[in-house]
Amino acid sequence: DIQMTQSPSTLSASVGDRVIITCRASQSINSWLAWFQQKPGKAPKLLIYKSSSLQSGVPSRFSGSGSGTEFTLTISSLQPDDFATYYCQQYNSYSSFTFGPGTKVDFK
Amino acid sequence: EVQLVESGGGLVQQGGSLRLSCAASGFTFSSHWMSWVRQAPGKGLEWVANIKPDGSEKSYVDSVKGRFIISRDNAENSLYLQMNSLRVEDTAVYSCARYNNNFDYWGQGTLVTVSS
Repeated sequence: DIQMTQSPSTLSASVGDRVIITCRASQSINSWLAWFQQKPGKAPKLLIYKSSSLQSGVPSRFSGSGSGTEFTLTISSLQPDDFATYYCQQYNSYSSFTFGPGTKVDFK
Repeated sequence: EVQLVESGGGLVQQGGSLRLSCAASGFTFSSHWMSWVRQAPGKGLEWVANIKPDGSEKSYVDSVKGRFIISRDNAENSLYLQMNSLRVEDTAVYSCARYNNNFDYWGQGTLVTVSS
């Protein structure tokens, strides 16, 4: 099974900061990686799919990159609404999906 | 508007059974893979099961294989998860999600609590 790791697990930042979250897969997943944002008590929200494609309606300050085993989610200028937990997720096949452990972005 | 609404959660004793339902609307349900994803209290997301549009293919995470069964009724626009031999570690919010080459729509979830 493909394992996913994320770093850091917690990130303290201020409004306006550039934020980068890293996700690594235990084996190559090509570009089959998505990023989700989740706020307490809410369903996850799809931000990025296929490593770098921005989901409709998601602000352009969010971007994704990477392929193979290393991926990043970048928030170019952190906004108050962005304080949340972020998960990466691989979808290399229909028979197995794995989420990363999450990165919590909180106020510095 | 796409909507996914789960129901059927509750408190059950270890070893018991529960059947979750997910009512879908706002899209052609019969054309999409569907999944169940769970989140234990204070923990991360875990994919549980997946089912092909016609129900002919199903996949499960190893920890629920042989205990959980995913199914669907395309005439009723409904997704189900039959959970048997429940364990304390199955305690979580269970959400259904539409798979459209990614999990693009999610329900709010239903809480399943397994007591010892």
